[in-house]
Amino acid sequence: QSALTQPASVSGSPGQSITISCTGTSSDVGGYNYVSWYQQHPGKAPKLMIYDVSNRPSGVSNRFSGSKSGNTASLTISGLQAGDEADYYCSSYTSSSTLVVFGGGTKLTVL
Amino acid sequence: QVQLQESGPGLVKPSETLSLTCTVSGDSIRSNYWGWIRQPPGKGLEWIGYIYHSGSTNYNPSLKSRVTISVDTSKNEFSLNLTSVTAADTAVHYCARRDSWDYYFDYWGQGTLVTVSS
Repeated sequence: QSALTQPASVSGSPGQSITISCTGTSSDVGGYNYVSWYQQHPGKAPKLMIYDVSNRPSGVSNRFSGSKSGNTASLTISGLQAGDEADYYCSSYTSSSTLVVFGGGTKLTVL
Repeated sequence: QVQLQESGPGLVKPSETLSLTCTVSGDSIRSNYWGWIRQPPGKGLEWIGYIYHSGSTNYNPSLKSRVTISVDTSKNEFSLNLTSVTAADTAVHYCARRDSWDYYFDYWGQGTLVTVSS
């Protein structure tokens, strides 16, 4: 069982917006702004999409945005494209001895 | 352009030691932290641990008794040793760079599958 909780799957049609949630506790997501999001296509390495809750690395489309409210972080993808179909993982620093925790992953299907 | 490349055996026998090396190019191993993350087939990501060039390490408590991460600054590479492996340790292993002042991994290797089987 993952430390951070994500929905197993979400779906949307091209052009639509979707949001993926990532729920933790006050010891991780809620207590620190060290939430990051990764995109993983099949057979590929994860790619950093969002860091520090809402910052985008250079080269990542502004269709990807992040936010946080309480113990839940969210990744929103607007203007869905076929290439966005992938698995998405959230991650956070945690004050527990584990230090770094990941969510279980969410499979995004573009209909 | 920062690049990381994992290398090591793809098959390890149960009870033996899994050993992988990550070679870094485009950046000095003397900057940032360097970590290992694994992903069992069809499952999610699990952080194994990371190391600073000074040799300072942090490990996932669930693996701490079996894990050692070391760094070789002369070769600009770092390594992972996982002892007493079982089938549950079968996974794609990724090496990655962790920002010095943060907790995200911004550059990843392509990953290497290590299968534990006799």
